[in-house]
Amino acid sequence: DAGVIQSPRHEVTEMGQEVTLRCKPISGHNSLFWYRQTMMRGLELLIYFNNNVPIDDSGMPEDRFSAKMPNASFSTLKIQPSEPRDSAVYFCASSLQGGYTEAFFGQGTRLTVV
Amino acid sequence: GQQLNQSPQSMFIQEGEDVSMNCTSSSIFNTWLWYKQDPGEGPVLLIALYKAGELTSNGRLTAQFGITRKDSFLNISASIPSDVGIYFCAGHSQGAQKLVFGQGTRLTINP
Repeated sequence: DAGVIQSPRHEVTEMGQEVTLRCKPISGHNSLFWYRQTMMRGLELLIYFNNNVPIDDSGMPEDRFSAKMPNASFSTLKIQPSEPRDSAVYFCASSLQGGYTEAFFGQGTRLTVV
Repeated sequence: GQQLNQSPQSMFIQEGEDVSMNCTSSSIFNTWLWYKQDPGEGPVLLIALYKAGELTSNGRLTAQFGITRKDSFLNISASIPSDVGIYFCAGHSQGAQKLVFGQGTRLTINP
């Protein structure tokens, strides 16, 4: 079975450009999470969805960040405009049963903003 | 916000030694999860715990859900080189759907 699929694996972009990260959760999972990982701050939860609806976006750093989940099999995290401090590894994870069970992670997207 | 305190932050051991790490929370948790992350990869689930006092093993790994529901530990017996990586605890506090993570324990093994 395919796990959580993220694309791209690596993204290098110039400051000010728009960046879109993509995620396909595990089929049948109804919760989806976006995390950001940096050396300084570790794994931070940015936003999570339950049944395609955003439940908690309190971790989204600022208005430059937005996330959507148009259907049960696809989600995007967009940064516009991007800044060098956004450089990090962004992970998508999905879980069953409203998020009370274990989450399974994708391989991540390493974003570098120059 | 919700915080998990994981310790130690790093460990340097000899191959064959046993490893122990733990995680504590200021509030009651309903689940405790332990993940391992290899370089360039996402965290991979090792063990999931759902009941206070629960002790679960996965090969050489053993984890326990603390009886107070505010802590958990992970033990690795007879460490081998492939155990190298970063180990994270994670959990759901009472009534919360979001999974929060500890800061991680970086394990280095000298052959």
